[in-house]
Amino acid sequence: QKEVEQDPGPLSVPEGAIVSLNCTYSNSAFQYFMWYRQYSRKGPELLMYTYSSGNKEDGRFTAQVDKSSKYISLFIRDSQPSDSATYLCALSGGSYIPTFGRGTSLIVHP
Amino acid sequence: GAGVSQSPSNKVTEKGKDVELRCDPISGHTALYWYRQSLGQGLEFLIYFQGNSAPDKSGLPSDRFSAERTGGSVSTLTIQRTQQEDSAVYLCASSLARVAGELFFGEGSRLTVL
Repeated sequence: QKEVEQDPGPLSVPEGAIVSLNCTYSNSAFQYFMWYRQYSRKGPELLMYTYSSGNKEDGRFTAQVDKSSKYISLFIRDSQPSDSATYLCALSGGSYIPTFGRGTSLIVHP
Repeated sequence: GAGVSQSPSNKVTEKGKDVELRCDPISGHTALYWYRQSLGQGLEFLIYFQGNSAPDKSGLPSDRFSAERTGGSVSTLTIQRTQQEDSAVYLCASSLARVAGELFFGEGSRLTVL
């Protein structure tokens, strides 16, 4: 079993839909939870960063962490075609070396 | 520069040749990472540098891979005797060590081994 599991998709939704992206993990030592967005042929860029369980909101994006279930989510409201990208979850503990999921490919069609 | 700079952006080489990939991190960032991303796969950790500490080489897949960081800034990843399975995008990232997990990535070096 990999430390971080993420469905690669692709996930195809119509413009305006609410998108839910998820990762599960097995290592309870993970304390920091991140979501990165990667456009085609570009490097990943940090989208959301959380430390504790609960929700964190930033504009149309909400990150949710449930440490008891070892489950993290990213919600995108009012999705736009410009949100089409690969979304990677990343988790780290005290070592400061994040472990990444495989990424989920999201396609938002007009 | 404002961001992490990597060169070359694309490299095509023949099996058995050596390649060097360069990374210029964000000024002031003390931590530097190399990851590898194969087609359809996530990011595979290779090596981590933090200040003047000994690097964490635990992710290097074989002794054909090595990396150095000179003067706490520029880093070079070297792959000797390249194999076809080394074909991937090699991503460099830097960060302020006090904030765990906030990495700033370059655009990557795409390596193709024929």
